Amino acid sequence: RKEVEQDPGPFNVPEGATVAFNCTYSNSASQSFFWYRQDCRKEPKLLMSVYSSGNEDGRFTAQLNRASQYISLLIRDSKLSDSATYLCVVNRFGGNTPLVFGKGTRLSVIA
Amino acid sequence: GAVVSQHPSRVICKSGTSVKIECRSLDFQATTMFWYRQFPKQSLMLMATSNEGSKATYEQGVEKDKFLINHASLTLSTLTVTSAHPEDSSFYICSARDWGQQETQYFGPGTRLLVL
Repeated sequence: RKEVEQDPGPFNVPEGATVAFNCTYSNSASQSFFWYRQDCRKEPKLLMSVYSSGNEDGRFTAQLNRASQYISLLIRDSKLSDSATYLCVVNRFGGNTPLVFGKGTRLSVIA
Repeated sequence: GAVVSQHPSRVICKSGTSVKIECRSLDFQATTMFWYRQFPKQSLMLMATSNEGSKATYEQGVEKDKFLINHASLTLSTLTVTSAHPEDSSFYICSARDWGQQETQYFGPGTRLLVL
């Protein structure tokens, strides 16, 4: 079983739509969780951290369920510029340890 | 914000040659840097953790004698792909953790390697 699993998509949605991505992780000792965004042929960039209480940043809402080892990202009012690959990322043990990336979910927002 | 640079951004080489990729943290000290590799339509796969002043820690399946890592200073780590072969063609990305902000990891822009 992969350490971080995501639905690869692609998700093709019209502008203004709401779209949700899901992710599961296998290591229950994982400490920190993130969503990164990666544009084609570019490095990944941090979109937001994910906290147990859930957190929101504008049109983006992230949720974490530690009991189910499940992370989600909700994007409201999709924009064309949201088209990218969204990576679910887990920090294995916190501190100075590496990030583990999911394969990513491809989103295309269509005019 | 913090910046990580990589050089070169892309390289084309002949099979059997060695290629060195540099990763620099430009305005912070990074005691630890990470090297990832990404094949087309695949996720970033961690290759190794580079620690300043000590040996790198390699992930299972990554040959340490083929992918030489040197982290000689707090702002520079290098990855050398020795005797490169076409199957080594990939997108190599480094990241660095700001010593003062343990949870924040900054990524370099990546190096695209093509081995002919």
